[in-house]
Amino acid sequence: DQQVKQNSPSLSVQEGRISILNCDYTNSMFDYFLWYKKYPAEGPTFLISISSIKDKNEDGRFTVFLNKSAKHLSLHIVPSQPGDSAVYFCAASLDYTGRRALTFGSGTRLQVQP
Amino acid sequence: NAGVTQTPKFRVLKTGQSMTLLCAQDMNHEYMYWYRQDPGMGLRLIHYSVGEGTTAKGEVPDGYNVSRLKKQNFLLGLESAAPSQTSVYFCASSQSRGFSNQPQHFGDGTRLSIL
Repeated sequence: DQQVKQNSPSLSVQEGRISILNCDYTNSMFDYFLWYKKYPAEGPTFLISISSIKDKNEDGRFTVFLNKSAKHLSLHIVPSQPGDSAVYFCAASLDYTGRRALTFGSGTRLQVQP
Repeated sequence: NAGVTQTPKFRVLKTGQSMTLLCAQDMNHEYMYWYRQDPGMGLRLIHYSVGEGTTAKGEVPDGYNVSRLKKQNFLLGLESAAPSQTSVYFCASSQSRGFSNQPQHFGDGTRLSIL
């Protein structure tokens, strides 16, 4: 049972346009959400996060929106650049006693066309 | 600034062989993690450690063992490799339990094939 789902395996956008990556989750106990970016043959790199007490967090061209009632978050990249082409993983965090755990979605491959 | 370093980057094993994957971090992080990534799936936690000398099971621990004898190193062992363990393995570390500004930092992965 996947608790974090990224239903779009791939997305293609034109350079300069907006990229919107979506993520849905089922566990209402998740209290932090993160986006990681992954290039081929490299490990995931942290991009941006949001606490469950907020509905928006912005960092430069990247904005994450959280809709708790819908259990949905999205990552907006504006404007998109060819260097943004990568696989993006959504992850949700839960605070168990003694540790935090990350549950990852299956990823969305973003291709930004020049 | 190395961050998290995984050794080796690639390995091919025969069924039943054993091997150890090494993870080293130079950020003085307390927490270390081993994940596996399979096609079409997200990263799944195998084992983790909250400090030197401590380890615990994650989501998919069967067939793996780990050790954290030194704070900077986290070893993942396969005692008797099986084809189902063919995967890309990622090690990660973080400063503490908090996530607000202390995300996990990942190594570049070890691609392991079991024939």
